[in-house]
Amino acid sequence: EIVMTQSPATLSVSPGERATLSCRASQSVSSNLAWYQQKPGQAPRLLIYGASTRATGIPARFSGSGSGTEFTLTISSLQSEDFAVYYCQQYNNWPPKVTFGQGTRLEIK
Amino acid sequence: QVQLVQSGAEVKKPGASVKVSCKASGYTFTSYGISWVRQAPGQGLEWMGWISAYNGNTNYAQKLQGRVTMTTDTSTSTAYMELRSLRSDDTAVYYCARDNTAMAHLDYWGQGTLVTVSS
Repeated sequence: EIVMTQSPATLSVSPGERATLSCRASQSVSSNLAWYQQKPGQAPRLLIYGASTRATGIPARFSGSGSGTEFTLTISSLQSEDFAVYYCQQYNNWPPKVTFGQGTRLEIK
Repeated sequence: QVQLVQSGAEVKKPGASVKVSCKASGYTFTSYGISWVRQAPGQGLEWMGWISAYNGNTNYAQKLQGRVTMTTDTSTSTAYMELRSLRSDDTAVYYCARDNTAMAHLDYWGQGTLVTVSS
């Protein structure tokens, strides 16, 4: 079973600065990697899929990179609304199976 | 616009069952799967399983095998998740999500349903 490990668990960054979140897979997931943002009391929101493709309506300050086992979500200039928990997710196409990382909490410094 | 609207909060006793519904609109229901994801209080996301809205095929998380059943009603574009033999650690918010299998992600999510298991 593939295990997804996110780091760090908590990241403290000032508004306007860059945030870099990491996600590592225990074995190659190719580019079947997505990122979600979750704010308190809300459902997760898809940000990035295919490791680097922004979902509809997602601002350009969000970018994803990586393939195989190492992935990165970068938020280029943090806005107040970006402080949230971020999850990476790998997807096994058949049979469909999803595994989430444990999350990174992005907090205001 | 794509919407997934879930049923309301539930309170159940240990050993009981719960059935959560997820009504889809704004897209062709049978063209996508539905995944169910739960989140215990203060915890991360846990994938529970997937169902094809096209043919009803399912794949469940191993830890829930035997306790969970996912179904769909294509006449009403509604997906259902039933969890049996409830325990206190099943207390969580349960989400349905449109499963874009071809593109390997969950692109639209329901608002969540809180299920509380307590004696």
